[in-house]
Amino acid sequence: NAGVTQTPKFRVLKTGQSMTLLCAQDMNHEYMYWYRQDPGMGLRLIHYSVGEGTTAKGEVPDGYNVSRLKKQNFLLGLESAAPSQTSVYFCASSYGRGAPSYEQYFGPGTRLTVT
Amino acid sequence: KQEVTQIPAALSVPEGENLVLNCSFTDSAIYNLQWFRQDPGKGLTSLLLIQSSQREQTSGRLNASLDKSSGRSTLYIAASQPGDSATYLCAGTGGSQGNLIFGKGTKLSVKP
Repeated sequence: NAGVTQTPKFRVLKTGQSMTLLCAQDMNHEYMYWYRQDPGMGLRLIHYSVGEGTTAKGEVPDGYNVSRLKKQNFLLGLESAAPSQTSVYFCASSYGRGAPSYEQYFGPGTRLTVT
Repeated sequence: KQEVTQIPAALSVPEGENLVLNCSFTDSAIYNLQWFRQDPGKGLTSLLLIQSSQREQTSGRLNASLDKSSGRSTLYIAASQPGDSATYLCAGTGGSQGNLIFGKGTKLSVKP
């Protein structure tokens, strides 16, 4: 049972390049989330999904797109990277609103630098 | 809109001391509260989850309490050790999406 995994762990992009971050969970969780962590700002929600085939915007969605084609995977895309997207990205998952608890499980993070 | 505040932002204590980290939130409709530990350059490790119907949770030397009426949670660490040095984050499930609203953390340093 690997929990929540993220690929890649580190990445350096040039302004305007695109990339996709992959999050995978093996706990059969319904809900999945993407957060970004910036110094002095804490963690903020980018996008989330309440089930396979669904996605929705969080607090800071601009410049990102997501897809949830399979229940276990949640992809975060940057179409045209900007220096403001330099951050650490965390994926999380939980059973969902109908469960006894909302406990969220986090991946190890992806450290992205945009130059 | 739910906001979570953690005080102090940084704390340095000698080894063996008992300590309390504070977390306050603005919306008493918070559902669950979760405490995390984050080591430098690492991910988040869940320490304790307090569900809305509970008042406290304990795990080893850690005890977390939740008082929804006053909008406060505390994390008590007994007999602190240098290995406890890390940033501690509290987060409440207050968003309509079920997402966590995070505080900015308390950076704890335990001196040998």
